[in-house]
Amino acid sequence: EVHLLESGGGLIQPGGSLRLSCAASGFSFDEYAMHWVRQAPGKGLEWVSGISLNGGSEDYADSVRGRFTISRDNAKSSLYLRMNSLRPEDTALYYCTKDISGSGSVIEYWGQGTLVTVSS
Amino acid sequence: QSALTQPRSVSASPGQSVTISCTGTSSDVGGYNFVSWYQQHPGKAPKLMIYDVNKRPSGVPDRFSGSKSGNTASLTISGLQADDEADYYCYSYAGTYTFVFGIGTQLTVL
Repeated sequence: EVHLLESGGGLIQPGGSLRLSCAASGFSFDEYAMHWVRQAPGKGLEWVSGISLNGGSEDYADSVRGRFTISRDNAKSSLYLRMNSLRPEDTALYYCTKDISGSGSVIEYWGQGTLVTVSS
Repeated sequence: QSALTQPRSVSASPGQSVTISCTGTSSDVGGYNFVSWYQQHPGKAPKLMIYDVNKRPSGVPDRFSGSKSGNTASLTISGLQADDEADYYCYSYAGTYTFVFGIGTQLTVL
């Protein structure tokens, strides 16, 4: 059974930094692309960033490009999101998600999310 | 990277059918057959219902179907049941390894 467990969320002041982690299990982590998706309170889903199975391809939503960095450690079956220069509008539940393929096309499984609150 | 356009809300009675549209551009929905649909119940993580425009993952009832014409994709739910009441989001590949969600549609089963 696929299991995705996010951690690292919390309350952070504007301008601060956080690193989210996602521990994956139940599948061959190094065979699939992975993504981060967020959902602000009471709002819709927003794709944040994705990375291919070997980390060779990655990209970001315009809203976070230049501030967030996605990475993965296939040896540890872990996905990360480094978030810098955080803004109040980054407040959201951040989901770690598994793609259906290695190159990235469809989000197949979701974690339960970790909440990031950016506020002074 | 503009969000795909969906109706904010739709409603129908049990047993009826409902169709939710998802309109993008030739750079996303119209340019690729990587359109998927997600169901989200309140307080829960989204669930994949349709992928690659019209494929159903194992375990998803055949009451759920997808299609696409030009820049608009559609999700049709037939034989509506009370548990189908949820938010629905479309999702599309948008080129150069970027992806985009729709704004979401709230389905009410009357």
